[in-house]
Amino acid sequence: DADVTQTPRNRITKTGKRIMLECSQTKGHDRMYWYRQDPGLGLRLIYYSFDVKDINKGEISDGYSVSRQAQAKFSLSLESAIPNQTALYFCAAGNPNTEAFFGQGTRLTVV
Amino acid sequence: AQTVTQSQPEMSVQEAETVTLSCTYDTSENNYYLFWYKQPPSRQMILVIRQEAYKQQNATENRFSVNFQKAAKSFSLKISDSQLGDTAMYFCALKDSGTYKYIFGTGTRLKVLA
Repeated sequence: DADVTQTPRNRITKTGKRIMLECSQTKGHDRMYWYRQDPGLGLRLIYYSFDVKDINKGEISDGYSVSRQAQAKFSLSLESAIPNQTALYFCAAGNPNTEAFFGQGTRLTVV
Repeated sequence: AQTVTQSQPEMSVQEAETVTLSCTYDTSENNYYLFWYKQPPSRQMILVIRQEAYKQQNATENRFSVNFQKAAKSFSLKISDSQLGDTAMYFCALKDSGTYKYIFGTGTRLKVLA
């Protein structure tokens, strides 16, 4: 079983729609992250969380919100999707002395 | 602010040959971690190798090894005996020991030629 699971794997949505990407992890990692991957830009941090009461903005948080519903669950929302939010989104989890463990990614297309 | 720079957008290597991917970084922290991740066409992010900054010895994992130069803030990845399955995007990443954020480079696309 994967340590980190993202749903959905792929999604096409229309401009202006609200969409939620979900992430869950099974290894009890306290830190969770949402990244966005665009060609030529690498992975950029959207939000990160150290526990359910600790949410922090990353470098590109505008247009996104997150919720840490439990230690194991960290969801990303686009309140009103726009075409330049078309990207590959990754959730990751980890602890202070470990590497980041990534989900399978969600390919989001906003039309 | 911490940064990670990968200056080689694309590289190619013949099967069985050796290739080195470059990475430089900047941080004011003394304790941090460095990583190389592989992203094959399946898009899964796979850890290749990790290095703790306080360790002077370069990390090695089978055919993969790093050249960690702390003073120069350089962290290159050497792949020996390249295989077709090594074809992928490779990302260098820095973990800040203060905030525990992972900062990624822009990636190097490696193609192994038969």
